[in-house]
Amino acid sequence: DIQLTQSPSFLSASVGDRVTITCRASQGISSYLVWYQQKPGKAPKLLIHAASTLQSGVPSRFSGSGSGTEFTLTVSSLQPEDFATYYCQQLRSYPITFGQGTRLEIK
Amino acid sequence: EVQLLESGGGLVQPGGSLRLSCAGSGFTFSSYAMNWVRQAPSKGLEWVSTISGSGGNTYYADSVKGRFTISRDNSKNTLYLQMNSLRAEDTAVYYCANYFYAGGNRYFDYWGQGTLVTVSS
Repeated sequence: DIQLTQSPSFLSASVGDRVTITCRASQGISSYLVWYQQKPGKAPKLLIHAASTLQSGVPSRFSGSGSGTEFTLTVSSLQPEDFATYYCQQLRSYPITFGQGTRLEIK
Repeated sequence: EVQLLESGGGLVQPGGSLRLSCAGSGFTFSSYAMNWVRQAPSKGLEWVSTISGSGGNTYYADSVKGRFTISRDNSKNTLYLQMNSLRAEDTAVYYCANYFYAGGNRYFDYWGQGTLVTVSS
């Protein structure tokens, strides 16, 4: 199975900050990496697919990069609505796996 | 507008069974693989199962293999998850999600609101 490890698990930041979340895969997954945002009590929301393709309607302050085993999600200037939990997911092979999540909180 | 609406969750005793449903609308249901993903209280996301658009191919997480069965009725635009031999660790919110899969691009596009399954005596 392909393990995904996100870092950090918890991040405290302020509005306007630039933050980066890393997702490392235990083996190469090409660009089959997706990022989701989840707010409490809500379903996950697709942000980025194919490692770096912004989903339609997602603000351009979100960006993704990477391929192979190391990936990043960057928010260029945090807005109040961005404080949430972020998950990476690999779709290279079954079983599909998620990272453990990164909780982004307001400092 | 794409909508996925789960139902069937509830309280069940350990060892019991439950069937979840997910009704899809606003898209060509039979053209999409579908998934179940769960989230235990205050925990992360866990993929449970995937079924192809035709229903001919199914995939399961090891944690549910042999106990859960995914199926679909494309005439009713509905996805199912039959859960047997339920355990306390199956307690979670269960989400259905459609699977966009085209060449090198793959992602879970739309998600339902989730249905809570609680396994407890």
